[in-house]
Amino acid sequence: NAGVTQTPKFRILKIGQSMTLQCTQDMNHNYMYWYRQDPGMGLKLIYYSVGAGITDKGEVPNGYNVSRSTTEDFPLRLELAAPSQTSVYFCASSYSRATNEKLFFGSGTQLSVL
Amino acid sequence: AQSVAQPEDQVNVAEGNPLTVKCTYSVSGNPYLFWYVQYPNRGLQFLLKYITGDNLVKGSYGFEAEFNKSQTSFHLKKPSALVSDSALYFCAVRDNNAGNMLTFGGGTRLMVKP
Repeated sequence: NAGVTQTPKFRILKIGQSMTLQCTQDMNHNYMYWYRQDPGMGLKLIYYSVGAGITDKGEVPNGYNVSRSTTEDFPLRLELAAPSQTSVYFCASSYSRATNEKLFFGSGTQLSVL
Repeated sequence: AQSVAQPEDQVNVAEGNPLTVKCTYSVSGNPYLFWYVQYPNRGLQFLLKYITGDNLVKGSYGFEAEFNKSQTSFHLKKPSALVSDSALYFCAVRDNNAGNMLTFGGGTRLMVKP
């Protein structure tokens, strides 16, 4: 059981380039999330999905897009990379959005935009 | 809006001594509180949660946390620290009046010295 798998682990982009961060989970979880982690700022929610075909914006969605064509996969797209998007990105999943539900996290993608 | 504060960027403690990592929160409804731990180059891992009931919650790896409603705090504790406890710790709160989204604190780095 792999849990939540993210690729790549590291990436350097030039300003204006685009890329897709991949996330897949094998726990049959309905809910999936993308967070970014900046030093001293905790984790900020970018986008989330409550099931295949349904996505919604989180706290900091600007500059990102997502899709959810299957239960397992939830890719995050950066269209025009900017230095402000330098961060560590975490994908997470949960079975439900119940108040007592814990999240399972991937190991993260460290992205630098230069 | 819900919020979480972790007032210490770093906590230093000697191995074998008790440790406390502080967390305070603000919510409009009933708080659902979580602690997560992040080891280097890894995603966040769930440690423990408070939903209702006993104010002292026991979690993984010998950690516990004390919920104090009057002080709106949820401090993480361990009676005897290990070097292997050195990591980044995040407090998070979920408010059932705020769409059940998790809000994370900025994180506290725990350094346990031999």
